[in-house]
Amino acid sequence: QKEVEQDPGPLSVPEGAIVSLNCTYSNSAFQYFMWYRQYSRKGPELLMYTYSSGNKEDGRFTAQVDKSSKYISLFIRDSQPSDSATYLCAMKAGGFKTIFGAGTRLFVKA
Amino acid sequence: NAGVTQTPKFRILKIGQSMTLQCAQDMNHNYMYWYRQDPGMGLKLIYYSVGAGITDKGEVPNGYNVSRSTTEDFPLRLELAAPSQTSVYFCASSGQGDGPQHFGDGTRLSIL
Repeated sequence: QKEVEQDPGPLSVPEGAIVSLNCTYSNSAFQYFMWYRQYSRKGPELLMYTYSSGNKEDGRFTAQVDKSSKYISLFIRDSQPSDSATYLCAMKAGGFKTIFGAGTRLFVKA
Repeated sequence: NAGVTQTPKFRILKIGQSMTLQCAQDMNHNYMYWYRQDPGMGLKLIYYSVGAGITDKGEVPNGYNVSRSTTEDFPLRLELAAPSQTSVYFCASSGQGDGPQHFGDGTRLSIL
């Protein structure tokens, strides 16, 4: 079993839709949770960085962590074609060792 | 506003050749990392460094070597390239071990 599971998609939605991206994990020691956005032929770009459980909002993006269920989510409101990318979840217990999900490909159609 | 810069962006190697992938960061970060990204797989850590002169193996170090003579630079060396090393290589840095990592745009390497 992988430490971090992420549905590869692709996920296709119309412009303006609310997008929900999710990851599950098995290591209860994870405390730091991240979401990265990766455009084609580019490096991952940090979107959200959260510690422990709860919600964090930044503009159209909301990150949610449920440690009891070992489940994290990224919600994108009013999705735009420019949001089309691969979204990677990542997490770590502490220190630098980070475990990445394989990524979910998202397509937002105009 | 360069951040993490990787060169070259793309390279084709023949089996058995060697090369060095360059990585430089201008954020004065102590921590630097090399990952490889293969289709359908998460980023895998090859080597990391916690400061100049200090390096250590990650999850998949075989066939690679690194050095860290300065805070800014963290080159990755491939000796005796093999087809299994065909991948996209990303360099990243972070200011603290607990901090988020910032990535370069990658080097796409094909070994034929």
